[in-house]
Amino acid sequence: ETGVTQTPRHLVMGMTNKKSLKCEQHLGHNAMYWYKQSAKKPLELMFVYNFKEQTENNSVPSRFSPECPNSSHLFLHLHTLQPEDSALYLCASSQDLGQGGAYEQYFGPGTRLTVT
Amino acid sequence: QQQVKQSPQSLIVQKGGISIINCAYENTAFDYFPWYQQFPGKGPALLIAIRPDVSEKKEGRFTISFNKSAKQFSLHIMDSQPGDSATYFCAASKGFQKLVFGTGTRLLVSP
Repeated sequence: ETGVTQTPRHLVMGMTNKKSLKCEQHLGHNAMYWYKQSAKKPLELMFVYNFKEQTENNSVPSRFSPECPNSSHLFLHLHTLQPEDSALYLCASSQDLGQGGAYEQYFGPGTRLTVT
Repeated sequence: QQQVKQSPQSLIVQKGGISIINCAYENTAFDYFPWYQQFPGKGPALLIAIRPDVSEKKEGRFTISFNKSAKQFSLHIMDSQPGDSATYFCAASKGFQKLVFGTGTRLLVSP
């Protein structure tokens, strides 16, 4: 595997379900990100992790719960979602240089989530 | 102040023509301006980026023009090819991590 991989690629879930999205980066990076991409809206940064520590939560509802067990893996746990949460969820990684500096972000292919 | 406004929403250009996509921002603290290219079923990939200390950056057929006083920057694709057909996103950030994206431009290059 190379780059940033995400599983599953497609997910359909009911509003009462609990599911998790998985992201793995094979680039040796130390920063990981979750983004939400909805139709006709800008990509929205959700969470940032640096060295496994969450450094940014962009006012995301608590029904989205991130987990970063190590610098290569990132999860997004989902529960009690709403239909408006249907979107493409993208994971990215970068090499954080500290003091706000980092190299470019590499994105995975995304998980297409549909909430019914 | 966090918004990045991108235009046009969609663009059709003939093969060999010049594609131009524009973005405007409000936050004068932004100091990193990348452009991303996204093909269907793929995540965005960095195409080219600029810092505000230069007014232009060129990489192959892709050029960013940056106007700091107007708070605008644009992507020019010279000699556009059908393989350039994709969605293009501009973004801006202070530092490199907290990117604020535009809404995207769907480019179609006709053969």
